[in-house]
Amino acid sequence: SYELTQPPSVSVSPGQTASITCSGDKLGDKDVSWFQHRPGQSPVLVIYQDTKRPSGIPERFSGSNSGNTATLTISGTQAMDEADYYCQAWDSNTYVVFGGGAKLTVL
Amino acid sequence: EVQLVQSGAEVKKTGESLKISCKGSGYRFTTYWIGWVRQMPGKGLEFMGIIYPDDSDTRYSPSFQGQVTISADKSIATAYLQWSSLEASDTAMYYCARLTGDNYFDFWGQGTLVNVSS
Repeated sequence: SYELTQPPSVSVSPGQTASITCSGDKLGDKDVSWFQHRPGQSPVLVIYQDTKRPSGIPERFSGSNSGNTATLTISGTQAMDEADYYCQAWDSNTYVVFGGGAKLTVL
Repeated sequence: EVQLVQSGAEVKKTGESLKISCKGSGYRFTTYWIGWVRQMPGKGLEFMGIIYPDDSDTRYSPSFQGQVTISADKSIATAYLQWSSLEASDTAMYYCARLTGDNYFDFWGQGTLVNVSS
């Protein structure tokens, strides 16, 4: 089955740039989405089709995907960005695949 | 406005059955797949399965095939997730979400917390 691997945790200082990676076999050939999940809330789509931002998502969120790695980048990270972040792709055999999630700490 | 509204929290005993729901509004319910996602306490998101409400075509994650049943009633724009015999390990938050034609979830329900104890 297809697997996506994320680092369990990422730390960043306020105002700096956070990069969260997501790795999978030939992931660059797939479309990757990213979700922000704050405690007690529902997941929120922040990036879809590798690089696109839904309406209402701040410009500081951006995405890229090439080779075996997709990356979510948060520029000028704010305290409110502290959350778990999940990547997601589609596999023809297992359908929706989520990464294990990365906890972003802003300190 | 697209909304997915899920049924309320449940407290059940092991061995009991359960059916939770997800009602869609603000869009044409029959033309988008609806997915179910589990989050066990302290763990990540897990894909369970999807259903196409127009014809009830259903696809399950291999991990959940045979463990749960996903169904839908398009006449009332509602999708369901059900268990015939709950186990303590079914204790989790369950989310429904709308799957776009490009295979990502764009809208999520508020979640249904299921607590199963002996």
